[in-house]
Amino acid sequence: QSVLTQPPSASGTPGQRVTISCSGSSSNIGSNTVNWYQQLPGTAPKLLIYSNNQRPSGVPDRFSGSKSGTSASLAISGLQSEDEADYYCAAWDDSLNGLYVFGTGTKVTVL
Amino acid sequence: QVQLQQWGAGLLKPSETLSLTCAVYGGSFSGYYWSWIRQPPGKGLEWIGEINHSGSTNYNPSLKSRVTISVDTSKNQFSLKLSSVTAADTAVYYCARAIAVAGTRHMDVWGKGTTVTVSS
Repeated sequence: QSVLTQPPSASGTPGQRVTISCSGSSSNIGSNTVNWYQQLPGTAPKLLIYSNNQRPSGVPDRFSGSKSGTSASLAISGLQSEDEADYYCAAWDDSLNGLYVFGTGTKVTVL
Repeated sequence: QVQLQQWGAGLLKPSETLSLTCAVYGGSFSGYYWSWIRQPPGKGLEWIGEINHSGSTNYNPSLKSRVTISVDTSKNQFSLKLSSVTAADTAVYYCARAIAVAGTRHMDVWGKGTTVTVSS
């Protein structure tokens, strides 16, 4: 039951900038930091961005994250063919006893 | 380099109990939350729950009545049991290491996933 809403798809040509939105509420994005995961076809998800805008070691600086209020965004600049994947936002939700919630996912296609 | 290796039965009948184990290699077991996440075919990710090295758990309320996550610190392993499975529990199940910072989480290391199919 995804409580974070993302557009189902996004696309761009190589070199373009693509942005993916993630909409939540006061109990999740509004109260906690946002993470982004990249899932290449047939593989496990990989942490792409944590704490709204931090990149783990090895993640290219073409990927950037931001958060404002109850929404967050992931930007991919200089789009490359290997960026074709599913992207998920995620955050801790303070409702009930607390749980980790994922976004609905966005399929990025490189045209 | 921390690695997670997971295993368990891949084919179950309805009403049976799903059982998966994840072993942690190459890193500390304490100081983290150890999580289970699943992904039904063609669908998104769903957090199942987590446990820390001392056995403290958090579960997804939608699955809480059927889920048990346990830990064996002597083996650096943690396990998932999901009872009374149905076809809706068919999914790829992932184990992951979660870093907890100021009450929030992010999963920085993932297992490769185990495909579990529930069918009569």
